[in-house]
Amino acid sequence: DAGVIQSPRHEVTEMGQEVTLRCKPISGHDYLFWYRQTMMRGLELLIYFNNNVPIDDSGMPEDRFSAKMPNASFSTLKIQPSEPRDSAVYFCASVLNPGNTEAFFGQGTRLTVV
Amino acid sequence: QKEVEQNSGPLSVPEGAIASLNCTYSDRGSQSFFWYRQYSGKSPELIMSIYSNGDKEDGRFTAQLNKASQYVSLLIRDSQPSDSATYLCAVAPSYNTDKLIFGTGTRLQVFP
Repeated sequence: DAGVIQSPRHEVTEMGQEVTLRCKPISGHDYLFWYRQTMMRGLELLIYFNNNVPIDDSGMPEDRFSAKMPNASFSTLKIQPSEPRDSAVYFCASVLNPGNTEAFFGQGTRLTVV
Repeated sequence: QKEVEQNSGPLSVPEGAIASLNCTYSDRGSQSFFWYRQYSGKSPELIMSIYSNGDKEDGRFTAQLNKASQYVSLLIRDSQPSDSATYLCAVAPSYNTDKLIFGTGTRLQVFP
């Protein structure tokens, strides 16, 4: 398995534009997590899915953020409209059993909103 | 109060010394604890997990858990410059064991 694959690796966009981040988890992993990392706030959990179903989205900062997982091999995180304060590294992580096994992270998407 | 707290550092230690990284957590019922290492510009990767009170050793790394005091630590013996990275503590809280809550991380610098 190639591991968790995220795209794009870097995204620069103008304020107000829509941004879509993509993630392909490891096959067979039932859980998928989206995190955002900044220097000030560290690694924040935004939302996670179990078997493609969103379980906890309490970390999503506001309605401008949305996430979907239409099937077991694909998830998206969308920001519309984007703002400069959304600039961060966004990670997707794939887990077989969160309480007992390793979370495998993708390489992350570095988002810059200007 | 943050759910998982770490000193941001940097923690600077000389090569060959023991580096001690600490983490406290707020949910007393938590049962699963993890240490991840993150090199600059890279993604986090798991170093160790610990579930029971006491010490767990893996090579140069030792994780220590004290549930009564609600802290977990990571010791790195014979520190090497290649250990220079940010170390993230993660906890699965008792109210939702599927969640992984991370601390902000401690930056470790090992100088020759």
